[in-house]
Order: sequence, then structure tokens, then C-alpha cells
Amino acid sequence: DAKTTQPNSMESNEEEPVHLPCNHSTISGTDYIHWYRQLPSQGPEYVIHGLTSNVNNRMASLAIAEDRKSSTLILHRATLRDAAVYYCIRNQAGTALIFGKGTTLSVSS
Amino acid sequence: GAGVSQSPSNKVTEKGKDVELRCDPISGHTALYWYRQSLGQGLEFLIYFQGNSAPDKSGLPSDRFSAERTGGSVSTLTIQRTQQEDSAVYLCASSTETNTGELFFGEGSRLTVL
Repeated sequence: DAKTTQPNSMESNEEEPVHLPCNHSTISGTDYIHWYRQLPSQGPEYVIHGLTSNVNNRMASLAIAEDRKSSTLILHRATLRDAAVYYCIRNQAGTALIFGKGTTLSVSS
Repeated sequence: GAGVSQSPSNKVTEKGKDVELRCDPISGHTALYWYRQSLGQGLEFLIYFQGNSAPDKSGLPSDRFSAERTGGSVSTLTIQRTQQEDSAVYLCASSTETNTGELFFGEGSRLTVL
């Protein structure tokens, strides 16, 4: 049970921003929100994670709703290489990360 | 190397045989995970080791599956009496003790059971 809800698929155009939503309405106060992605024929790779505040890194931004029941992964300028399955995971520190089905992102040129 | 190392990268076996898959985590990482991914499917959690705590075995699909972690480092996943449905890529990942940050994944071991 991944305990998050994501759309099955999304489409984007190259060089446009992408907003990937995730619902985690039953999140507890100590659960972290993690995002991973899996490119075709590769293992998963870390994207970003956060607890309460919005987070930015070189790959993406994570916007967390004030009530923490949802979050959005933002890719500022999609490239063809960003086509992947994106997994949103809620997790309590020290426990296993359980991956759900994720969102398959397609990027067109 | 600096990353998570898994071996073998590919394993073909006959139904009913036992197989062992090995994972060398990043040095100093105390958390270690095993996942498997069948063709076209998502990641299925198998087992999680965290330091000296009892492992979380809740994802192991049957008693044919077992894993151990010796000395808090190398881990071996053993599948006894393999079945065709065990065919998958078995992925190992490691992270720091707090496990609030990044999981580093290995390249995986592709198991094919004939």
C-alpha cells in the first residue's frame, strides 16, 4: 500500500514546465514525501524529498500543500530525458519506502 | 566503486533450483532494501534492513524467499526452489541511517527462471 494517489499518465512538451500531482490525504505529521523517477530500462533514481516546506534542487522543485495532504513535483523545463515513471512516496523515517504505480510522463518535442 | 554493486547482473536458472543474489551497499550506509520488478510492473518491496534492528520482512512473497545481511554490510537474497513467476529484476538500494534522504539503487540482477 503506497498510500499515495497519482495520475496514471501525463503528457508534456519539451521545454515547458511540468506539474506532477500527488495526493497523500492520510499523511501523518512525521511522514516525509519522497519523489523518485525511473527512466526506461534503468533503476529508480532519487529526485527530491521534503517534510513541510517547499524544496528546490537542481533537478526539480517540491511544493507541499499547507495541510500536507497533497504535493506537486515541478520540473521547470521538461526535456526528452525527463520521460520516465515518477513515484511519489510518503514514508516515516526508519521505515521501508513503498513504491506505488507512479505517473508515466511522456515528453514530446 | 562508490555505488551499490549487485551480482550477478544476469542469472538464468531452471525451475526448482536455488539462487543467491548479492548486494554490496555503499560504505557506511546502514539501511539496505531489496525490491523486485517484473516486466512492465512497478517496484515490489521485499525486505528492509536498518542497522541492528530486526529486518522488515513484510514484503517477502513466500517462505522460499529469504535474505540476510552479514556484518551490517553485504546482503544476500536467496530464492529456493525457483518458479517461473520469480523471473524479474531484483534491485538493491542503500541509504544512510536516518533514511530520510536519498536511496541509492544498484543496477539490478535480472533473474530468468526457465
